[in-house]
Order: sequence, then C-alpha cells, then structure tokens
Amino acid sequence: AQTVTQSQPEMSVQEAETVTLSCTYDTSESDYYLFWYKQPPSRQMILVIRQEAYKQQNATENRFSVNFQKAAKSFSLKISDSQLGDAAMYFCAYRSFYSGGGADGLTFGKGTHLIIQP
Amino acid sequence: DAGVTQSPTHLIKTRGQQVTLRCSPKSGHDTVSWYQQALGQGPQFIFQYYEEEERQRGNFPDRFSGHQFPNYSSELNVNALLLGDSALYLCASSEGLAALSSYEQYFGPGTRLTVT
Repeated sequence: AQTVTQSQPEMSVQEAETVTLSCTYDTSESDYYLFWYKQPPSRQMILVIRQEAYKQQNATENRFSVNFQKAAKSFSLKISDSQLGDAAMYFCAYRSFYSGGGADGLTFGKGTHLIIQP
Repeated sequence: DAGVTQSPTHLIKTRGQQVTLRCSPKSGHDTVSWYQQALGQGPQFIFQYYEEEERQRGNFPDRFSGHQFPNYSSELNVNALLLGDSALYLCASSEGLAALSSYEQYFGPGTRLTVT
C-alpha cells in the first residue's frame, strides 16, 4: 500500500514571501499521479496542482510550482509571492496510474497548516 | 456550472443509529468517490461508484455502504454508528474511470457528522 508523509504540521510565512511545503511518499509503482490540494476553513478541497510521474518536467500553475524528485520519492510545493488567501490546510495526495485493485482512491497525507503573516 | 453538492451540511446522530449522506456530482461527471476526514487528519478513501456499482473500496467495514443512482448522484450509508464515525465526509466526482483520464477529482464542501 502507498503512504504519503507530510512532516510539517504547520508552516508560517510573511505575505509576499516564498514558502515550500514538503511531501514524501512510498510506493512500488512506477506510474502514478501526485497532487496538492488546498482546504480552506470553508472545508472544500481545491486542487492546486497535479504532477504525472512519467513527466520529468515539474508542474507549474501561476504562483504554485512543484519540485518532483521521483528517485527520492519527494514532491514539494513552492508557493511564491504568498497571499493572505493562501492560508489553508495543504494536503499532498497520491493516486495510482492504473485502475483496479483498490487503486483509484486518493491517498492523502495528514496535511500542513499554512499561516500567512500580514 | 454547478459544482459538487452535498447534503446535509451538518448532522448529529446518536450512537447505534443509521445515517444517509447525499452527493450530487459536478455536471458531466459520472464517477463519485467518498472520503472520511477525521479532525486533524487527511481524508481517507471509503469507496468509489461508477455505473451504479461500487468499483473500489478502501479499508472500511461493511457498516459503510453506498449507492449510485442513474443520474450519477450518490448516497453514503453508515449503520450502527460509533463515536469514532464522527468526521467530515467528503464526496468527490470525476469523469470516467481512473485509467481513462488524469482523474482530477472535484470535491464537495462535505457533511460534518457528529455522533454522540
């Protein structure tokens, strides 16, 4: 079974600064997807960014980018120019590439609470 | 374009009772997944429905069951409620089976279940 570990329960950053959230995972599969989700106090989980394991290029979505290190099984999220609206819980998640065998559900880490200091 | 909706928003039940939670997927989506998120934890996968059948299941007991209707909406039923079932229950929808797409799941706002 796959596991996802987020070792930072809480992170704090000054507004307009850059912050990096860490995520490591354990899998024996070679093909999979990785995601970062944001969960604000409203509780609705919002997809921030997605990375396909077969792609070497790191994904980027505006101020959000990832550092995907497949050999190290590491998938960190960098938020540039942090804004007050970025304050939320951030979850790293894993999904197998292939359907079947109980692999379709997302496996989440425990989350990192990101605080933005004005 | 309506997103994923869930009802009710909050629910309080007594230990031993049964509960039904409802989810309507995002327009154009035919696959529904359910997750349980305990306080301070990440969501845990319960099961997934596609074409009105349970396709995948996480590590949850048979007390947790579900249903998908022809309009793709879904219900989650929990029998013989335990105090430990208190959690936020999230529904997520996606288009098609995982292997056929990049499988971006869109989440609803959740139902907060409290068991007393």
